[in-house]
This record gives sequence, structure tokens and C-alpha cells, in this order.
Amino acid sequence: RKEVEQDPGPFNVPEGATVAFNCTYSNSASQSFFWYRQDCRKEPKLLMSVYSSGNEDGRFTAQLNRASQYISLLIRDSKLSDSATYLCVSWGGGADGLTFGKGTHLIIQP
Amino acid sequence: NAGVTQTPKFRVLKTGQSMTLLCAQDMNHEYMYWYRQDPGMGLRLIHYSVGEGTTAKGEVPDGYNVSRLKKQNFLLGLESAAPSQTSVYFCASSYGYTGVQETQYFGPGTRLLVL
Repeated sequence: RKEVEQDPGPFNVPEGATVAFNCTYSNSASQSFFWYRQDCRKEPKLLMSVYSSGNEDGRFTAQLNRASQYISLLIRDSKLSDSATYLCVSWGGGADGLTFGKGTHLIIQP
Repeated sequence: NAGVTQTPKFRVLKTGQSMTLLCAQDMNHEYMYWYRQDPGMGLRLIHYSVGEGTTAKGEVPDGYNVSRLKKQNFLLGLESAAPSQTSVYFCASSYGYTGVQETQYFGPGTRLLVL
């Protein structure tokens, strides 16, 4: 069974700090990876795709390590509005869509 | 564009009752999905469709049926609801399944309580 594993947290982080999450995936054939953000009682929304070379979007940086089969998300200068659950997601190449991790809960404290 | 919409937003059923959840998307996406999300379990795929008139089983299909008669709509049916089907149901759609096109857009969810 394909699996994506994440530390559920919660991560309690002061505003302005840098925080990093990792997740691991079991399907070595996974082709694409994503981070989704889910606010409380809301739907998941795409935060960013994860590329082999690493990619950055403002304060967010995503990295992929295929050899160790893990994905990371780094958030710099964290804001109160970053408080959410972050879902690590992989796509194995089939039509049956994405495999979601259970999420990491982040709480940014003032 | 409304994106992905779901009807209803919330429903309470008694055990044994039936209902249909409606998902609609206006993005001309080929692929549509139904997930359920339970505490501590993450999102699990129930059924999906790769185009009008097609459906396929996901990870947890038992107790559910689906239909995709029109490209923009994907219906999820519960023929005889059970308390184990109490959950939040999310519909999603995507343009395709290659590379970055696998980005899925989610509806706001339907909260279902089965008593």
C-alpha cells in the first residue's frame, strides 16, 4: 500500500521563526510531490509543487530527496496566518490520483 | 468561475437512509474524485472518474456508488447509510494526471453525520 508519513505535531512556533517539516513516502515509483495546506474545517488547497531541484515560493521552500524518499517544507519568517495543517502528497503515476499524508499541524504563536 | 462546488454542506441521516452528494466543477476538468476525511486518517480516496461515463474504485469504495453522467458533475451515493460513514466528504477535480497537471482543486466539503 502506498503511504506518506508525517509527524502530526502540533508544532508550536513563535511568530517570525523558521520551521521545517519532513515527510517520507514508501512508493519509490512516485513521480510528483506536493504540499497542500488545509485550514480548520476547510478544504485542502495546493501550497506548492515539489521539484527534484528544490523550489522556492516567497517564504516557502520545498525539497525532495529521492534517495532517502523524503520531502521537506521550510517556512521562513512565519506569520500567524501560516497556522494550518500541512499535507504532504505524492502521485504514483496512475489515474487514481494522489496519496495524502495525515498532515502536520502548525500553530504560530504571537 | 465557481471552481468546485458541493451540495449539501451538511446533512444528518439515520442508519439505513440513502442520500446523494453532488459535486460540480466549471473548469472543464476530465478527472474527478471523491475523498473522505476522518480524524487521524487523512484523506482517503473513495471513487474517481477519468472522464464522462467512467468511474473506478479507490481505496475505500465499499458502501458507496458513483456516477458521472455529465463531465461537470460527479455524484456520490450512499444506498444504506451506516454510522461508520460519518465523515467529511471532499470532491476534487483535476485537468489530467501527468506531472504538475495532477494538481487537484477541492470543493468545500460535505459534513455527514449518520445516527
